[in-house]
Amino acid sequence: GDSVTQMEGPVTLSEEAFLTINCTYTATGYPSLFWYVQYPGEGLQLLLKATKADDKGSNKGFEATYRKETTSFHLEKGSVQVSDSAVYFCALRKGSQGNLIFGKGTKLSVKP
Amino acid sequence: EPEVTQTPSHQVTQMGQEVILRCVPISNHLYFYWYRQILGQKVEFLVSFYNNEISEKSEIFDDQFSVERPDGSNFTLKIRSTKLEDSAMYFCASSPGQRTDTQYFGPGTRLTVL
Repeated sequence: GDSVTQMEGPVTLSEEAFLTINCTYTATGYPSLFWYVQYPGEGLQLLLKATKADDKGSNKGFEATYRKETTSFHLEKGSVQVSDSAVYFCALRKGSQGNLIFGKGTKLSVKP
Repeated sequence: EPEVTQTPSHQVTQMGQEVILRCVPISNHLYFYWYRQILGQKVEFLVSFYNNEISEKSEIFDDQFSVERPDGSNFTLKIRSTKLEDSAMYFCASSPGQRTDTQYFGPGTRLTVL
């Protein structure tokens, strides 16, 4: 069945370091891909999305490119801040369905 | 900014008891969802609800689960007879109109079954 795999955490970085969180997916057809973020004590918030191959989603300095050839949607940020500390979830949604299929989440801690 | 709220933030119950988890979706949204995350595992879809009926459900959503929108603002998930394996974080979400719209999530309710 359809699934999402993302790198295990936790990830600990120093402020201003480069961030990559890997995400790969398995799905038939052409899913939409998402990154959600959960800050402590809050709900999941949509960070960015891409709906077709080669689309790049971006928001708050984060980027991810929909790579159909490698079935990947890796999250990147050039310079992380302490305020980026959160849990990041990769997810997909099939075109004809509403429900999201999530990865396990990756906890990011950024140290000053 | 409107947000989805959930109560309680943490619920502890004895195995076999009934629990009701409550959610208040964003007021003009039409689609409602429940997801859960067992500790250390993936966030899993349970059910979606539209126009006062279930529109999709996963195989997890068996007869012990039910959903309801009792008063036009609340959206509830009932678990009739809780099991130890129901211990998880339960997330409610809502979206404005089409099923493919962005889903807005609540902070979750942590359910602990003893």
